Amino acid sequence: GAVVSQHPSRVICKSGTSVKIECRSLDFQATTMFWYRQFPKQSLMLMATSNEGSKATYEQGVEKDKFLINHASLTLSTLTVTSAHPEDSSFYICSATLVRQLNTEAFFGQGTRLTVV
Amino acid sequence: EDQVTQSPEALRLQEGESSSLNCSYTVSGLRGLFWYRQDPGKGPEFLFTLYSAGEEKEKERLKATLTKKESFLHITAPKPEDSATYLCAVQDANNFNKFYFGSGTKLNVKP
Repeated sequence: GAVVSQHPSRVICKSGTSVKIECRSLDFQATTMFWYRQFPKQSLMLMATSNEGSKATYEQGVEKDKFLINHASLTLSTLTVTSAHPEDSSFYICSATLVRQLNTEAFFGQGTRLTVV
Repeated sequence: EDQVTQSPEALRLQEGESSSLNCSYTVSGLRGLFWYRQDPGKGPEFLFTLYSAGEEKEKERLKATLTKKESFLHITAPKPEDSATYLCAVQDANNFNKFYFGSGTKLNVKP
């Protein structure tokens, strides 16, 4: 159990276009999902917390209008990178937390490699 | 400031050569400490959660231990397939949805 699926795994887009990344919890409901960005040889940087049915909470320095997050259901959150630029090229990872036996644990999607050309 | 530091940054082992990875943390409150394995181009894969000092968990060749200031991931007789980046993350006691990640240890096991 506790599978988080992320799609697509790789995407190449042109500068100025928008890209949508989906994150699904396959076998559990996730009221909260998270979006991270990871640069080469660096750790995960939290971008935003996605809450089902309400607005996402963004970390300091992350542009809300550039990284649109929608959490329309208990199993799906989407991240849309709007007007993408080459500096947005990165590895984006989502995660969802699951409460098991009173413990909250985090599980991750496979990641999406975004390349903006 | 809450911080998680992993060492070494990279580790090269011969197959069968046991070693340990370190994760030290300075956080105001620890709820849990998580270990993940991350392969290139993939998302982190959950390995262990530790909640209290003195706790140990094992899975195949891996054993994770926790003290009040650090955690160790012991790898016994590693195989080439254990090569990956190992990440640790500390869960905030005041916000169970908040995780602080270390930068990882890249392990390379040579046959």
